[in-house]
Amino acid sequence: EVQLVESGGGLVQPGGSLRLSCAASGFTFSSYWMSWVRQAPGKGLEWVANIKQDGSEKYYVDSVKGRFTISRDNAKNSLYLQMNSLRAEDTAVYYCARGLRLWRVPYYWGQGTLVTVSS
Amino acid sequence: EIVLTQSPGTLSLSPGERATLSCRASQSVSSSYLAWYQQKPGQAPRLLIYGASSRATGIPDRFSGSGSGTDFTLTISRLEPEDFAVYYCQQYGSSPENFGGGTKVEIK
Repeated sequence: EVQLVESGGGLVQPGGSLRLSCAASGFTFSSYWMSWVRQAPGKGLEWVANIKQDGSEKYYVDSVKGRFTISRDNAKNSLYLQMNSLRAEDTAVYYCARGLRLWRVPYYWGQGTLVTVSS
Repeated sequence: EIVLTQSPGTLSLSPGERATLSCRASQSVSSSYLAWYQQKPGQAPRLLIYGASSRATGIPDRFSGSGSGTDFTLTISRLEPEDFAVYYCQQYGSSPENFGGGTKVEIK
């Protein structure tokens, strides 16, 4: 059974940092694109970033470029999102998602972790 | 950057009726890399359709996707009680892989 479990969310002050983790199991992690998608309270979905199977390609939405870094450790079956210089508008549930076969499209999703940026 | 516009914002229908949801892209979506998701309150999204018209594993055949280029449609042939939810389209052909704003399908 495919499982994606996010952790690392919480309350952080503006300008602060957090590192989100996503522990994957039930599939060959190194074979799939992985993504982060977020959802602000009461709002729609926003794609944040994704990373290729071997980590050689990474893409970001403009609003997080230079502040967030996506990475993965295939030996540990884990996906990460390092978030620096956090802003109030980064407040959201952050979902980790696995691609579908060779495509980037998010197929399996975790249950999300809430990040709240507030003083 | 490709912007996706979904319409209508809200669709009020009764169980058994047909639902037609639209997703329009600001420029052509390459290789029809267009997906549809369903999201219920408090839950993660669920992939329904990828490649504009391919159903994901386990998705009932009352859900169908169509379209190409800039105009895409999700059709639910006969609404079941569990289908009342919010639906999002997403293009994954070019970065940023934007989502549309969503269509809420509510019980009339």
